Amino acid sequence: EPEVTQTPSHQVTQMGQEVILRCVPISNHLYFYWYRQILGQKVEFLVSFYNNEISEKSEIFDDQFSVERPDGSNFTLKIRSTKLEDSAMYFCASNLGQGDTQYFGPGTRLTVL
Amino acid sequence: AQSVTQLGSHVSVSEGALVLLRCNYSSSVPPYLFWYVQYPNQGLQLLLKYTTGATLVKGINGFEAEFKKSETSFHLTKPSAHMSDAAEYFCAVRPQGAQKLVFGQGTRLTINP
Repeated sequence: EPEVTQTPSHQVTQMGQEVILRCVPISNHLYFYWYRQILGQKVEFLVSFYNNEISEKSEIFDDQFSVERPDGSNFTLKIRSTKLEDSAMYFCASNLGQGDTQYFGPGTRLTVL
Repeated sequence: AQSVTQLGSHVSVSEGALVLLRCNYSSSVPPYLFWYVQYPNQGLQLLLKYTTGATLVKGINGFEAEFKKSETSFHLTKPSAHMSDAAEYFCAVRPQGAQKLVFGQGTRLTINP
């Protein structure tokens, strides 16, 4: 069964460094999402992406964040200058159509020191 | 803004007992409703969803949920708990017209032998 994959499973970085989290969505899906979950808190929506542009974003998704689909298979989330409060589990998701079920990856745990 | 409340961050039941995980949402317009499960070190997996039609929805692994508009609830139940049901359960809504999912804070289900 097709699944969403994410790499790495755990990323440790120093405050102020740039990180790129990678996701490979299900191959025929058209909509892509990033969510995050700070330890002990709710899963929060960050951004959705369709047709090579951001279609919806939350107030969390400020200028420090960017997304890209560089090669037709990967979907990346870049954090330009990480802060301590960016430490969280980041989930990628995808779906075929806007109203369809979103399929989630296993997550990348980002730790900012 | 749409919000989701899950009563009880931690629920513990005995093997074979009824499982009841509560979820209430805030919306004047019924959204699409979802339950996801997260097993350790895995991504979020869809258990079941309600979009339109029959208000009692059956999902995987013997779980079901009932949409009650008058109570703005979408509680998850399973008649007889199994040890393998131990996991974190998330209720989520997709507001009409939006792509994002709005999650509750999650309920950790523990099964006692």
